[in-house]
Amino acid sequence: DAGITQSPRHKVTETGTPVTLRCHQTENHRYMYWYRQDPGHGLRLIHYSYGVKDTDKGEVSDGYSVSRSKTEDFLLTLESATSSQTSVYFCATTAGGRGGGELFFGEGSRLTVL
Amino acid sequence: AQRVTQPEKLLSVFKGAPVELKCNYSYSGSPELFWYVQYSRQRLQLLLRHISRESIKGFTADLNKGETSFHLKKPFAQEEDSAMYYCAPFNFGNEKLTFGTGTRLTIIP
Repeated sequence: DAGITQSPRHKVTETGTPVTLRCHQTENHRYMYWYRQDPGHGLRLIHYSYGVKDTDKGEVSDGYSVSRSKTEDFLLTLESATSSQTSVYFCATTAGGRGGGELFFGEGSRLTVL
Repeated sequence: AQRVTQPEKLLSVFKGAPVELKCNYSYSGSPELFWYVQYSRQRLQLLLRHISRESIKGFTADLNKGETSFHLKKPFAQEEDSAMYYCAPFNFGNEKLTFGTGTRLTIIP
């Protein structure tokens, strides 16, 4: 499982509150990703990082921001949570290069926005 | 635009019967194709990648560039194959993996 942990694993919050999800890896992988999983949509990429302080948007980035100040940590922040952001969030990492495409996933963080 | 289509949201197959999960893709360049699986209460994990040409848990997938398809097949379904399956092309240019909408496979005993 490439030593990937996500926190919190479950969170219930109210509309308009800020939320931060944390992904921590111990494999020194260069690339880190945040996906959300929703029925009928599969997994959709929110943001990803290709190095410390290097991040880029995915296909559903509106309402989300990320930060990566250390190789091992990738934070996903919802500045003002909305009900449409109720989802299961997955972090993933890959070493890249010839290993690119082989992602290692965390266990997921289930977020409910009331 | 990059696009992945898994036409079946749900698929039920009897134990011992053949399984085929369809995947079609629309991609610029030559992506590498993957299948990922998520068993109940487990994290997503890699099932197979086309470049390795390996058979994992009895599953194989053939890349058909003419039809732009990468269907997942298994000759004899087992109960433990019940899971959610995702087809995913990988773009080496931007190091992004794009997932299809997934197929939930249920094996009927």
